[in-house]
Amino acid sequence: GNSVTQMEGPVTLSEEAFLTINCTYTATGYPSLFWYVQYPGEGLQLLLKATKADDKGSNKGFEATYRKETTSFHLEKGSVQVSDSAVYFCALSDPPDTGGGNKLTFGTGTQLKVEL
Amino acid sequence: NAGVTQTPKFRILKIGQSMTLQCTQDMNHNYMYWYRQDPGMGLKLIYYSVGAGITDKGEVPNGYNVSRSTTEDFPLRLELAAPSQTSVYFCASSYSTGGSGNTIYFGEGSWLTVV
Repeated sequence: GNSVTQMEGPVTLSEEAFLTINCTYTATGYPSLFWYVQYPGEGLQLLLKATKADDKGSNKGFEATYRKETTSFHLEKGSVQVSDSAVYFCALSDPPDTGGGNKLTFGTGTQLKVEL
Repeated sequence: NAGVTQTPKFRILKIGQSMTLQCTQDMNHNYMYWYRQDPGMGLKLIYYSVGAGITDKGEVPNGYNVSRSTTEDFPLRLELAAPSQTSVYFCASSYSTGGSGNTIYFGEGSWLTVV
């Protein structure tokens, strides 16, 4: 079945540091890949997505590239801010024509703490 | 924009009690989902629906029931609450067209404690 593996947290960085959160996946076919962010006490919000190999998703200074050859979708940001402190989830959705539903399979989440 | 609305936000249940988590969306999405999130874990799919009158089990359906009588509403029923159902529950929805890249929109979550 599908699975997503993320690096363990928490990740603690100083403001303006470079961020990488690793994500690798196992899936049949060509899933779509997502990063969701969860701020304390809130639901998940889509951060970025990529729907085919070599696509780069980007938003709010974050970016991730769909690498089919390494089955990876690592999240990066060049300069993090305190306001980026949150839990980040990597996820994939079933490929089209596999039973419908756009169901997401999530990684366990990586907590990011950014300090001044 | 209301988006996906869940109620209640917090609830404490006693073992063996029943309750329904309500979920409604105003985006005319065909697909709706219920996930649970346990501490330090990713979200697990409980049930999902691809349209009114159609529901199907996800990864962790035991102890839950759902119904989908309208496009807007997708309530989740816990019949006999157990401590293992202590979790945060998220309702979500998405469009059905556009392949697998559709954004899934989440509600703000319902914190449930079973004691």
